[in-house]
Amino acid sequence: GAGVSQSPSNKVTEKGKDVELRCDPISGHTALYWYRQSLGQGLEFLIYFQGNSAPDKSGLPSDRFSAERTGGSVSTLTIQRTQQEDSAVYLCASSPGAIGAYNEQFFGPGTRLTVL
Amino acid sequence: QKEVEQNSGPLSVPEGAIASLNCTYSDRVSQSFFWYRQYSGKSPELIMSIYSNGDKEDGRFTAQLNKASQYVSLLIRDSQPSDSATYLCAVIRGYQLTFGKGTKLSVIP
Repeated sequence: GAGVSQSPSNKVTEKGKDVELRCDPISGHTALYWYRQSLGQGLEFLIYFQGNSAPDKSGLPSDRFSAERTGGSVSTLTIQRTQQEDSAVYLCASSPGAIGAYNEQFFGPGTRLTVL
Repeated sequence: QKEVEQNSGPLSVPEGAIASLNCTYSDRVSQSFFWYRQYSGKSPELIMSIYSNGDKEDGRFTAQLNKASQYVSLLIRDSQPSDSATYLCAVIRGYQLTFGKGTKLSVIP
C-alpha cells in the first residue's frame, strides 16, 4: 500500500503492562511523527523523527513513553507500565521532509489503545 | 490564549449550500497552514494546504489565508452529505503540527 500503516489497529491491555505500537511510513518520507488523540480531546503531538533521530521528545507525556525509528523507516512507540489515562488513539504521520510544503503530514489509521 | 482556535460547532448547512469554516491562530511566525477532514472513528485526512496570503482553490474546496489577521478559513461549495465530518485546522510551528479542536459539519440532505 502507498499510505502510512500502523499495527495493531486495536490493543486492549491491563494496567501495568507494556505495549508496543508500530508505524510504517510512506516510502521515501524522511520525517515521522507520533500524535495522540483522546476522547473529546484534540490531537496532541508526542515526538518527531528526522531519519532515525528524534530532535524533539518534549511531547512525550512521561518517561514511561519511548520511541525509536530504525533504517529511516519503521518506528515503534513503547509505553511501559500502562495506566488508564494512556487510553487513546495513537496516530502516526509521515511527511517528505520537515520544512514548508515538504511538511504535509499524512496520517495512518491509528492504533486504539484501551487500558483496563 | 489557545494556539489554534476553531468554533466547535456543530455547523449545519443544507445540501448544495456553501459551508464556511474558520480558524484563528496565535503564533505570528507560523508559515504553513492545513485543513484536515476527520470522519468519526477514522484518522485525519489532509484536504488542503496553504502557505501564502490569499485564496487557494481545489475542486469544491477553497482555503483562505490572512496572515495579518492570523486567520485561516475553508469554504466548501455545493456541500454534500458526504462532507459531514469534523474539520481540523492545523498550523505548523517548526516541524510540529498544532491542531485546533475541530469544527463538526453536518450537511443536511
